[in-house]
Amino acid sequence: DAGITQSPRHKVTETGTPVTLRCHQTENHRYMYWYRQDPGHGLRLIHYSYGVKDTDKGEVSDGYSVSRSKTEDFLLTLESATSSQTSVYFCAIRDIAGELFFGEGSRLTVL
Amino acid sequence: RKEVEQDPGPFNVPEGATVAFNCTYSNSASQSFFWYRQDCRKEPKLLMSVYSSGNEDGRFTAQLNRASQYISLLIRDSKLSDSATYLCVVTFLLGGATNKLIFGTGTLLAVQP
Repeated sequence: DAGITQSPRHKVTETGTPVTLRCHQTENHRYMYWYRQDPGHGLRLIHYSYGVKDTDKGEVSDGYSVSRSKTEDFLLTLESATSSQTSVYFCAIRDIAGELFFGEGSRLTVL
Repeated sequence: RKEVEQDPGPFNVPEGATVAFNCTYSNSASQSFFWYRQDCRKEPKLLMSVYSSGNEDGRFTAQLNRASQYISLLIRDSKLSDSATYLCVVTFLLGGATNKLIFGTGTLLAVQP
């Protein structure tokens, strides 16, 4: 068990509403990541964090923002959800060996 | 050309068969390599890291070919429980201490009874 949890695990929302996904780790790792996974695209990086208040954009960051006010929590926010953001979102932490460990995923449907 | 490419499959093999997947990468400065396994509707889980000299873990063998820029995963004596999507991950240094991780889209393995 990598000590990483995501919430909510499932969410259905309407276009234009804000959504926040939470990632919580108990491992005290510095690096945390948010990915989305869609058929035909594999895992794509949205944002990542390399410490408290230190974040950077990934390859598909448009429409998303993140915050990391504590080592253990990394939040992903969709300010105004769109149908194209329907996806499965995975949070991950990276250990000292460079290995990634994923949360169980958050399945988001935007109607 | 994609930075990391995998044959999507599916690879349909009988139980007990040996199967191999390749993953090619385009950045010659790539540093670290991993294989992940992902079951349907589950999160990816680390299967094994890939070392320059090659490494083995039970029925699984991973190899790196830097000259041809690919990594491989060999599964011997396939089990039904090996059915999953296998993702390769390649990392390289962006600058400073920041690594970029690139995922392949995965290869689907279906082991048949």
